[in-house]
Amino acid sequence: AQSVTQLGSHVSVSEGALVLLRCNYSSSVPPYLFWYVQYPNQGLQLLLKYTSAATLVKGINGFEAEFKKSETSFHLTKPSAHMSDAAEYFCAVSDRVSNYQLIWGAGTKLIIKP
Amino acid sequence: GAGVSQSPSNKVTEKGKDVELRCDPISGHTALYWYRQRLGQGLEFLIYFQGNSAPDKSGLPSDRFSAERTGESVSTLTIQRTQQEDSAVYLCASSRDKNTEAFFGQGTRLTVV
Repeated sequence: AQSVTQLGSHVSVSEGALVLLRCNYSSSVPPYLFWYVQYPNQGLQLLLKYTSAATLVKGINGFEAEFKKSETSFHLTKPSAHMSDAAEYFCAVSDRVSNYQLIWGAGTKLIIKP
Repeated sequence: GAGVSQSPSNKVTEKGKDVELRCDPISGHTALYWYRQRLGQGLEFLIYFQGNSAPDKSGLPSDRFSAERTGESVSTLTIQRTQQEDSAVYLCASSRDKNTEAFFGQGTRLTVV
């Protein structure tokens, strides 16, 4: 069975600092991996997805994530945090690219300190 | 409309009452999904509609839960005889088809007291 673990329900970084949000997955088949973001009072929005092409995936708003099969990880990074990045971030895994069979992590709330 | 719209945004109901949640998908999106998000947990898939095909109801947690969708339009999720464990945010999403990006509504926060 597939599962997703996001380390840290809350992550706090200073404005301008590196953002690192961790996601580890378990899957018995080659996975598809997704990061979604939910800004305050808005719906979930797709940030980026890995679908077995390049292992380094670039998304919107300067975020990127690297698929590391040996570590079963898909951590989300951004070199320099901005106040507008404050949101909740969700990692999800699927054994196919279809949306509805995603298995979701519990989410990480990113807090940006001025 | 421009995005997925859900109503109401908040609903407080008494245990044992029925509730109906509404989702207006993006026009032209054939796929529609319902999810439940309990506090501190990830999203749980509930049900999936694809055009006029039979829906995938495999995620519905009990027979108190049901959902309908007419064609490619509005969907309603009904919870009968609500229980306190039904308290959660119910999210709806739609996409052009099941293999393209899903767009989410803001959700309905249901509180059963």
